[in-house]
Amino acid sequence: SSELTQDPAVSVALGQTVRITCQGDSLRSYYASWYQQKPGQAPILVISDKDNRPSGIPDRFSGSSSGNTASLTITGAQAEDEADYYCNSRDSSGKGPYVFGTGTKVTVL
Amino acid sequence: QVQLQESGPGLVKPSQTLSLTCIVSGGSIRSGGYFWTWIRQYPGKGLEWIGNIYYTGSTSYNPSLKSRVSISIDTSKNQFSLKLSSVTAADTAVYYCARDQQWQKYNWFDPWGQGSLVTVSS
Repeated sequence: SSELTQDPAVSVALGQTVRITCQGDSLRSYYASWYQQKPGQAPILVISDKDNRPSGIPDRFSGSSSGNTASLTITGAQAEDEADYYCNSRDSSGKGPYVFGTGTKVTVL
Repeated sequence: QVQLQESGPGLVKPSQTLSLTCIVSGGSIRSGGYFWTWIRQYPGKGLEWIGNIYYTGSTSYNPSLKSRVSISIDTSKNQFSLKLSSVTAADTAVYYCARDQQWQKYNWFDPWGQGSLVTVSS
């Protein structure tokens, strides 16, 4: 079972800002990476180390971390940002080297 | 750029062994610093890390699957493989291969394969 908890769903008005959070004890020791998944597609990396974005990921995506919580912020959400988002980090609970968050469905209104 | 592609049967009978291969193109699987990884996603969308392998053959597995899983690598063919034994319906999932990069307290999976749906059913 996943040790990283995310809100199941959030909605955001077109052009507004939305923050997706990921909570877990592992995040006190390790940092999170973030993935976007659209229906029928494989996840793609949107935030890797610190606040770095892979080539091709818009700069409206940013990451941050504090205590046991990691956050992904979409500033100026676009219709194409509607997707599921997952966090990931190393696991400090002893259940395995890596864990994923439960996922957040982002709806752009 | 590096691309990954899974291949293998889409239907496996209960108690049999699931076998998948991930072909790596656009780069060498012998590149140091990367861990070649298997991840699965259940129909309810949860993601589970299965395990990984380094080009030297060193492996790491999810403790919940360790007794049933084996990951191997063939550097001559630029591919790595997953075997999961004694499967049940609970192993029905989309199986992804991915490249894992690690740096200090960070890790990230990029790129991912397109995924291979494996259904366990008689």
